[in-house]
Amino acid sequence: DTGVSQDPRHKITKRGQNVTFRCDPISEHNRLYWYRQTLGQGPEFLTYFQNEAQLEKSRLLSDRFSAERPKGSFSTLEIQRTEQGDSAMYLCASRPLAGGLSTDTQYFGPGTRLTVL
Amino acid sequence: SQQGEEDPQALSIQEGENATMNCSYKTSINNLQWYRQNSGRGLVHLILIRSNEREKHSGRLRVTLDTSKKSSSLLITASRAADTASYFCATDRSSNTGKLIFGQGTTLQVKP
Repeated sequence: DTGVSQDPRHKITKRGQNVTFRCDPISEHNRLYWYRQTLGQGPEFLTYFQNEAQLEKSRLLSDRFSAERPKGSFSTLEIQRTEQGDSAMYLCASRPLAGGLSTDTQYFGPGTRLTVL
Repeated sequence: SQQGEEDPQALSIQEGENATMNCSYKTSINNLQWYRQNSGRGLVHLILIRSNEREKHSGRLRVTLDTSKKSSSLLITASRAADTASYFCATDRSSNTGKLIFGQGTTLQVKP
């Protein structure tokens, strides 16, 4: 399968613990995006990368959140000192920067559902 | 914050009927995209319409865009039970970042 993959699919943690999620984009997609979706709402933008550079961060991304894409391929999203309000689905998406038929289309992964107890 | 609103929030129809969902947004856009999400899953891209386009078709889907009213509609014809899902519109305000701003979604139930 050559789609976007995310790991783990589900994570249950206790408040105060740190968690890390991984996203593997479609091969050769330069841009990678992270979104957060709470129950009954649409996804909200968190941050995005162009290759290894993190170019924009939402105000939703507090200092407890950090994202990396060290080699311009996979990305990780870490949440430190988790709070119950962090419970949500974390979605990753990728798209090519240029070329191809659908450069503006974002391809989403299955998401990581985080539950903070 | 969300870019706009979707209407209705929930829609229940019988198989074979058409389903229409509307999306309004607040700012100028580069393009508008529609996504489908089955319960607890990721988003599946359905169709993209650019700001200089007014209508687009893909199979049983028809999307319209009215930039003067800042609104879009998604029509699903001859609905099937498998169309049951949540549908989201998302706007791309700038081709520089490509980040998407999503609406709150319409939950569609198609009864067999």
